[in-house]
Amino acid sequence: DADVTQTPRNRITKTGKRIMLECSQTKGHDRMYWYRQDPGLGLRLIYYSFDVKDINKGEISDGYSVSRQAQAKFSLSLESAIPNQTALYFCATSESDKGAGNTIYFGEGSWLTVV
Amino acid sequence: EDQVTQSPEALRLQEGESSSLNCSYTVSGLRGLFWYRQDPGKGPEFLFTLYSAGEEKEKERLKATLTKKESFLHITAPKPEDSATYLCAVLSVRSWGKLQFGAGTQVVVTP
Repeated sequence: DADVTQTPRNRITKTGKRIMLECSQTKGHDRMYWYRQDPGLGLRLIYYSFDVKDINKGEISDGYSVSRQAQAKFSLSLESAIPNQTALYFCATSESDKGAGNTIYFGEGSWLTVV
Repeated sequence: EDQVTQSPEALRLQEGESSSLNCSYTVSGLRGLFWYRQDPGKGPEFLFTLYSAGEEKEKERLKATLTKKESFLHITAPKPEDSATYLCAVLSVRSWGKLQFGAGTQVVVTP
């Protein structure tokens, strides 16, 4: 079983609909992230959470919201989906900073298509 | 602002033809440089972390090196299964635990 599990893996939705992507992890990490990947643009950070009570915006948070339900669960919502939110979304986790740089581990990704 | 630039964007190799990928970075105090491998439609898979100039790490046919301005990922005698996109990312003292990723180099190794 994957350490970082994303659901759904694939979703097609219509413009204006609300959609939630869920992420759960069994690594016991405190930190969780949501990234978006578009061809030629690399991975861009949407939101991140360093513990259950901490939520922070990343570089492209407009149009998205998140909820950290527990240490192991971090969900991403698109309140009113639009076509340019069509992308591959990744959840990721890492340990709390040990002082020398922390490795981020990724889930398998969720393909979202907005039509 | 931290910046990461990877080159080339794409690389096509014959099996056994060694080559290198480049990751140039501009950061305010490097805390770590990370290499990931990503297969199509999959999540990035962690390969290496380098922390200081002069450091090298190896894994099978891959070797990563680091200088004060760039990192190289050397692929020695590649096989078709080394075909993937290789991502570089940096962590700086100002990034508060967040990685800044490059756009990646897509490598195709043909038999």
